[in-house]
Amino acid sequence: GENVEQHPSTLSVQEGDSAVIKCTYSDSASNYFPWYKQELGKRPQLIIDIRSNVGEKKDQRIAVTLNKTAKHFSLHITETQPEDSAVYFCAASRGTGRRALTFGSGTRLQVQP
Amino acid sequence: GAGVSQSPSNKVTEKGKDVELRCDPISGHTALYWYRQSLGQGLEFLIYFQGNSAPDKSGLPSDRFSAERTGGSVSTLTIQRTQQEDSAVYLCASSLVRIVVYNEQFFGPGTRLTVL
Repeated sequence: GENVEQHPSTLSVQEGDSAVIKCTYSDSASNYFPWYKQELGKRPQLIIDIRSNVGEKKDQRIAVTLNKTAKHFSLHITETQPEDSAVYFCAASRGTGRRALTFGSGTRLQVQP
Repeated sequence: GAGVSQSPSNKVTEKGKDVELRCDPISGHTALYWYRQSLGQGLEFLIYFQGNSAPDKSGLPSDRFSAERTGGSVSTLTIQRTQQEDSAVYLCASSLVRIVVYNEQFFGPGTRLTVL
C-alpha cells in the first residue's frame, strides 16, 4: 500500500520567514495530494490540495509543488505569521477506488513573533 | 450548514470493556471515513464506506474493531475488549464522491478515547 513520509517533524521560523515542508510517497498510482492544518485540540482542515495533472498550485501565501517523477511534493508558506503555528499533515490518495487518505506523520510548525 | 459531528467527545473506559463511537456525516455526503490519531502521531486510516458498496476495512488493526453505517448516513465504530494501546483520538470524515473530481474530506472534532 501507500506510504507517505514527511519532513521535518518540527520546524521553527521567525515571523515573516518562509517555511517548507516536504513529503514523499511510494504509490505511483496516487494522484491527489492534500495538505491539512491542525491547530491544537482542533480537527484537521484542508488548506490546499493538488492533483497529479499540475505541477504547482498557489493560494495567497501558500503554495504546493508536485514532482511525480520523483514522487515528492512540498508545501511552501511565505511571510509566516504566528497564526500559522500548527501541525501540518500531507496526504496522498489514488482518488478513485480506495479514496481514503494516507497521511504523513505531521510537521509541527512554530512561528516565533 | 452543520459539519461532521461525533459523539461522545471524550470516553474513558476500563481495559476489556467495549465502546461505541458515533459519527454523523455532512448531509448528502456519500463517503465516510474513520481515522485514528495517536498522541503526537499522524492519522491512520481505519475504514471507508462509500454508498452501498462493501466497506474498505483494510485499515482495521484487529478483529476487535468493527464499524457499520446504517441507511447510508450515521456510522458507529465499535471496539471490543479495549486495550490500553487503543487510546487515541478517533476522527471521522465525510466527503462527496464524484467519478473524476476529488473531493475534500471534512473532519469531525473527534472522540478522545482513554483506556485505563
